[in-house]
Amino acid sequence: GAGVSQSPSNKVTEKGKDVELRCDPISGHTALYWYRQSLGQGLEFLIYFQGNSAPDKSGLPSDRFSAERTGGSVSTLTIQRTQQEDSAVYLCASSLGRGQAGELFFGEGSRLTVL
Amino acid sequence: AQSVTQLGSHVSVSEGALVLLRCNYSSSVPPYLFWYVQYPNQGLQLLLKYTSAATLVKGINGFEAEFKKSETSFHLTKPSAHMSDAAEYFCAVRVASGGSYIPTFGRGTSLIVHP
Repeated sequence: GAGVSQSPSNKVTEKGKDVELRCDPISGHTALYWYRQSLGQGLEFLIYFQGNSAPDKSGLPSDRFSAERTGGSVSTLTIQRTQQEDSAVYLCASSLGRGQAGELFFGEGSRLTVL
Repeated sequence: AQSVTQLGSHVSVSEGALVLLRCNYSSSVPPYLFWYVQYPNQGLQLLLKYTSAATLVKGINGFEAEFKKSETSFHLTKPSAHMSDAAEYFCAVRVASGGSYIPTFGRGTSLIVHP
């Protein structure tokens, strides 16, 4: 597809389980971002990948969160031992490069509900 | 560090009335500023951006925003609201930080349009 694709669109899990969220960015986009959107909290930055550089993990809220990007394309966000406060919409975005003026293209998000 | 403040989590207007969504930023270096819109169950999409050229920026769907350095503001306006404008609007700032330009988003403003 032409846009950023995320899967699953909805995920319901039990507290303590691990989840994986997938993001397929726009072809050719070297920058990839993960944000978390909670009700009334706006977008919270999680992690940023740029090309083959080491990712910027400064936004990850705890060591239960991790992400990888294979081959500079698809990214997977993993949440281990999920907690109820992890419930949110997880948004992935990509952009053409690292430039300041570049537009971010967002996927529709993965809605995670932890029971 | 940069930050964005959006005044008002909800703004309600009548169809045909002026839309004004407020955004103030904090940055120690010249910023690039963005407005994104999120329609229900969709990802964010770019409305317009300021990149240090003209201070009055025109975007899609009749929206525009003016960069005012003295007021550190980048308010979004539209002369006449349409029912289809009902959505969540996010202001974002992007500055250089450690060699990257990770956007910081505000908490969002929900625009409600009454018939």
